[in-house]
Amino acid sequence: NAGVTQTPKFQVLKTGQSMTLQCAQDMNHEYMSWYRQDPGMGLRLIHYSVGAGITDQGEVPNGYNVSRSTTEDFPLRLLSAAPSQTSVYFCASSHPPSGNTIYFGEGSWLTVV
Amino acid sequence: DAKTTQPNSMESNEEEPVHLPCNHSTISGTDYIHWYRQLPSQGPEYVIHGLTSNVNNRMASLAIAEDRKSSTLILHRATLRDAAVYYCILRDPPDYKLSFGAGTTVTVRA
Repeated sequence: NAGVTQTPKFQVLKTGQSMTLQCAQDMNHEYMSWYRQDPGMGLRLIHYSVGAGITDQGEVPNGYNVSRSTTEDFPLRLLSAAPSQTSVYFCASSHPPSGNTIYFGEGSWLTVV
Repeated sequence: DAKTTQPNSMESNEEEPVHLPCNHSTISGTDYIHWYRQLPSQGPEYVIHGLTSNVNNRMASLAIAEDRKSSTLILHRATLRDAAVYYCILRDPPDYKLSFGAGTTVTVRA
């Protein structure tokens, strides 16, 4: 049982490049989400999904796209990377009831130069 | 969304208890109180959660005020590995999203 797996762990991009951060979970969780964390701050929600085929925007969605074609995978796409997107990105998953634990991946460190 | 208020930082000596307060005066009747912690360079990890009653697990205890407007996370015997940022978060069904504040940075002195 791997939990929530994120790849890559580290990435350096040039401004204007695009890339996809991968997230996969093997717990059959309906809910998945992406957060970003800037230095010294708490996590902020980018996008989330309540099930396959359903996605919605979080607090800071601009510059990012997501899709949810399967229960297991929830990739995050940066369309045209900007230095302001330099951050640590965390993927999370859980079952719906609010008393359930949310599981986080180990993070993806992204630097845009 | 109901918000929480936590102190920015707390210090403790190793082997001593740590009491981390959290105020949530606008909590609704269906909000669960969750605590997560984030060790350096890692993703957040679950610590404990509760609704109305005090809760205990192998990591910590959660004491919830009778009016539910505040709660306290208790680490019974702090170790160096407990040094982390601790987040108090309200989670309201059916909304599963988490709203993170800045959390409380816990420093443990050897």
